[in-house]
Amino acid sequence: AQSVTQLDSQVPVFEEAPVELRCNYSSSVSVYLFWYVQYPNQGLQLLLKYLSGSTLVKGINGFEAEFNKSQTSFHLRKPSVHISDTAEYFCAVSLQPILTGGGNKLTFGTGTQLKVEL
Amino acid sequence: EAEVAQSPRYKITEKSQAVAFWCDPISGHATLYWYRQILGQGPELLVQFQDESVVDDSQLPKDRFSAERLKGVDSTLKIQPAELGDSAMYLCASSLSEANAQYFGPGTRLTVL
Repeated sequence: AQSVTQLDSQVPVFEEAPVELRCNYSSSVSVYLFWYVQYPNQGLQLLLKYLSGSTLVKGINGFEAEFNKSQTSFHLRKPSVHISDTAEYFCAVSLQPILTGGGNKLTFGTGTQLKVEL
Repeated sequence: EAEVAQSPRYKITEKSQAVAFWCDPISGHATLYWYRQILGQGPELLVQFQDESVVDDSQLPKDRFSAERLKGVDSTLKIQPAELGDSAMYLCASSLSEANAQYFGPGTRLTVL
């Protein structure tokens, strides 16, 4: 079974500083990778996804992530954060449906709380 | 921009009562998911539908939870009877197909007293 580890439960950072949120996954087969953001009492919003192709993926709000197969990582980065980026960030993995017979549930990490300070 | 709709947004109920949540996916999305998110954790899949058929309900506590998507569009998740441990955020998501990204609704926050 696949699993996701988000190494940092909280990341404090000053506004306009760069940030990296770490994500490692475990799977014996090929996976799809995702980053979602969740604001308080709201659902999850898709930031970006890696399905195949280029290992550097650009998403919304200036975020990007790099898929590293050898290190089984999918770290999220932003060169300059804003106060409005304060939120919970979840890394998730799913197996390719062809491998599961149709089911493609997302397996989430425990989340990283990004707190941007002035 | 099309969104996944869920209602109610908040629900408070007493232990042993029945509760129901409704989800309307993005138009044209064939795949629908129900996730449960306990405070401080990531969401976990309860059930996945492809059109009106259940694809995965291996993590659904079938003694008290039920889900249906009768016409392959909107869906209802029911809990009967509710227990204290069911307090959580219940999230609905949809995708065009199994190979596409999932888009989430705003969720229903359930509190069981």
